[in-house]
Amino acid sequence: EPEVTQTPSHQVTQMGQEVILRCVPISNHLYFYWYRQILGQKVEFLVSFYNNEISEKSEIFDDQFSVERPDGSNFTLKIRSTKLEDSAMYFCASTEGVVEQFFGPGTRLTVL
Amino acid sequence: LAKTTQPISMDSYEGQEVNITCSHNNIATNDYITWYQQFPSQGPRFIIQGYKTKVTNEVASLFIPADRKSSTLSLPRVSLSDTAVYYCLVGGGATNKLIFGTGTLLAVQP
Repeated sequence: EPEVTQTPSHQVTQMGQEVILRCVPISNHLYFYWYRQILGQKVEFLVSFYNNEISEKSEIFDDQFSVERPDGSNFTLKIRSTKLEDSAMYFCASTEGVVEQFFGPGTRLTVL
Repeated sequence: LAKTTQPISMDSYEGQEVNITCSHNNIATNDYITWYQQFPSQGPRFIIQGYKTKVTNEVASLFIPADRKSSTLSLPRVSLSDTAVYYCLVGGGATNKLIFGTGTLLAVQP
């Protein structure tokens, strides 16, 4: 069964450093998303991406965040200068737009 | 976006049927009701979606009354592996952003 994959599974970084989280969506899907979940809290929407551009973003997704689909398979989330409060699980999701979004296993980001 | 209200937690035993009810009084005409499941340190996983009446798939049933102001997820004969957080979401189609609430933590005991 096709699935969304994410790398790395765990990323540890120092405050102020740049991180890139990578996702490979399901191959025939056209809509892509990033969500995050701070430990013990709700899953929060960050950004949606379609047709090579951002279709919607939340207030969390400020100038420190960016997304890119550099080729036909990868979808990345970059945080330019990480803060302590960026520590969270980051989930990538994709959909072909019929019923459901398929989530990846997540990347646990720890900012020290 | 319609706000949802569901119990914070529920307890059950293996083999029992579990019903989790969600209130969504402000649901819009074009909103669907979707339930996701999340295990610790994993991404949410789609369970079932409906618009009205009853929907059943291989893992659950979803009951939606005529006024659509609430819905009930029914899990038949739960097992220990059904211990997870269950989220009720209300919104447009699959391409729309998903707005998660706090969900219901279902704890299944032997």
